[in-house]
Amino acid sequence: QVQLQESGPGLVKPSETLSLTCAVSGYSISSGYYWGWIRQPPGKGLEWIGSIYHSGSTYYNPSLKSRVTISVDTSKNQFSLKLSSVTAADTAVYYCARRGSSRLYYFDYWGQGTLVTVSS
Amino acid sequence: QTVVTQEPSFSVSPGGTVTLTCGLSSGSVSTSYYPSWYQQTPGQAPRTLIYSTNTRSSGVPDRFSGSILGNKAALTITGAQADDESDYYCVLYMGSGILVFGGGTKLTVL
Repeated sequence: QVQLQESGPGLVKPSETLSLTCAVSGYSISSGYYWGWIRQPPGKGLEWIGSIYHSGSTYYNPSLKSRVTISVDTSKNQFSLKLSSVTAADTAVYYCARRGSSRLYYFDYWGQGTLVTVSS
Repeated sequence: QTVVTQEPSFSVSPGGTVTLTCGLSSGSVSTSYYPSWYQQTPGQAPRTLIYSTNTRSSGVPDRFSGSILGNKAALTITGAQADDESDYYCVLYMGSGILVFGGGTKLTVL
């Protein structure tokens, strides 16, 4: 059974960088698939942030691209999100998820999500 | 930037049938957008229902079905049950690895 678990600080100061990690168990990242981050501000809808292939190829939401970096560490079987210059608008529950390979453009396994609040 | 549109809210009677749609602010949705659908209840992570237009994810009952209706992707729930009361989100593939979520539909079963 594939499981994903987000971790990272729950509170980040404005203008700083938000950093989260997603640990994957039950599947080796290096075996394939894409791995992504999605967020949900309180009371609002879901927003795709970006995805990374196990080889390191990345795809970002154009509206966030200038501030987002997603990386993968196959040795630790985890991938990470960095979002720079955060503001209160970046306060959200952040989910990591596995996206299908090839032409399977959907998320099949999700983490439970972690709330990140941007506040001084 | 293209916006993915969904009905903000919908209601259905228990046992009834409801069709939620997923469109584009400009243009038509086709199978080339690989529409997928997710169900989310408060405080929970989304659950995958449908992918590639009409393929049910593992464990999803056949009460849930996906299709293309006219110029939109559609999620149909037949025989609605109380625990179908949730938020439903569609996702479209825009090319170049980019995915876009719709704004979500809040479904009430009453």
